[in-house]
Amino acid sequence: DSGVTQTPKHLITATGQRVTLRCSPRSGDLSVYWYQQSLDQGLQFLIQYYNGEERAKGNILERFSAQQFPDLHSELNLSSLELGDSALYFCASSVGLTGGRYNSPLHFGNGTRLTVT
Amino acid sequence: EDKVVQSPLSLVVHEGDTVTLNCSYEVTNFRSLLWYKQEKKAPTFLFMLTSSGIEKKSGRLSSILDKKELFSILNITATQTGDSAIYLCAAVKGGTSYGKLTFGQGTILTVHP
Repeated sequence: DSGVTQTPKHLITATGQRVTLRCSPRSGDLSVYWYQQSLDQGLQFLIQYYNGEERAKGNILERFSAQQFPDLHSELNLSSLELGDSALYFCASSVGLTGGRYNSPLHFGNGTRLTVT
Repeated sequence: EDKVVQSPLSLVVHEGDTVTLNCSYEVTNFRSLLWYKQEKKAPTFLFMLTSSGIEKKSGRLSSILDKKELFSILNITATQTGDSAIYLCAAVKGGTSYGKLTFGQGTILTVHP
């Protein structure tokens, strides 16, 4: 168990809908990362937060948004869902900024499997 | 554009075999390389490599980084069926881009009894 908690585990919804994925990082971790994993794309970086502030953005669609709250949990909002958004969405956390001063590795949650029908 | 390429994409071996997984990277402001094992759910952390030529070991797994040739290898000796998984490597950026990771597409390892 990595200590990173993601809810829900599975989500099935229809095209055009909006969903919210939730992540609680490991105790003491200030950085939260969101990744999308699909069969043909591998693990794609979406966005990263550090202590409540956005620090890095990857290939995140405009229909997607995220935030990190004062208690350090994070939410990923996906709107106007399309069939192609079906994927496994992972949250990961680290103590500091991986690659930065503390250069700590990421620890992943078990993911939320999103199916858009 | 940052790129991480893993090879082979898929590998099938028998228990007891030794395997070598490769990861090459082209990343600006490279800081370190991470290896993960992914079974059914979350990728689990294996190694972080920052210095060139220093082998890291954990049981039957070991890994080394070559920053001159821009690659890393992950070795698994005396493989077991429980080693069957997807192995992912990721390059970590430093400098002003720290926090960004680029993952390879993974190597699917299948170990038959």
